Amino acid sequence: DGGITQSPKYLFRKEGQNVTLSCEQNLNHDAMYWYRQDPGQGLRLIYYSQIVNDFQKGDIAEGYSVSREKKESFPLTVTSAQKNPTAFYLCASVRTGGSDEQFFGPGTRLTVL
Amino acid sequence: GENVEQHPSTLSVQEGDSAVIKCTYSDSASNYFPWYKQELGKRPQLIIDIRSNVGEKKDQRIAVTLNKTAKHFSLHITETQPEDSAVYFCAPRSARQLPFGSGTQLTVLP
Repeated sequence: DGGITQSPKYLFRKEGQNVTLSCEQNLNHDAMYWYRQDPGQGLRLIYYSQIVNDFQKGDIAEGYSVSREKKESFPLTVTSAQKNPTAFYLCASVRTGGSDEQFFGPGTRLTVL
Repeated sequence: GENVEQHPSTLSVQEGDSAVIKCTYSDSASNYFPWYKQELGKRPQLIIDIRSNVGEKKDQRIAVTLNKTAKHFSLHITETQPEDSAVYFCAPRSARQLPFGSGTQLTVLP
């Protein structure tokens, strides 16, 4: 399945709680991305990282935070500041200088109760 | 940032007919033009891509055409089958970001 995994598959959160979504890849890719997808909508970029210890905000970064301490891992934290966090979250990676194809993880469906 | 528009947003075709989806972008420096297919509840997967030094690429029933002057590229699916029903996204590469179009829901009617 492309060597990129996300966990958990389903996640339920109470309002006011922070939650962290995991994304791991064993493809030796430099760049990693987080997208949010709402029902019937496209993919919106939250954060991306081109290299370890560096990341940039995407179009909808407010209420989210990330870290990139290891090349293989790019966890996303959904904070209580995110007003409408219920969505499908997709992580992707790209090999810099390679084919440019994005490899996606299976996604995490987050529901705020 | 990069402006990406995809049309139409929904498309219904009879099985066996052709389908065409168009993607328009704003960044003239874009040099990689992929199309992704996403089935319901699944992850997007690359189905075909093209680079800026090529005008057309074909892979069996799927083709992509690129017009760099007009800044648009299109996905062509011929002899459509029910399994082609999905959401299709374009994602022209722009600098370090990979902005996605809003998607086209293709329905192939039996």
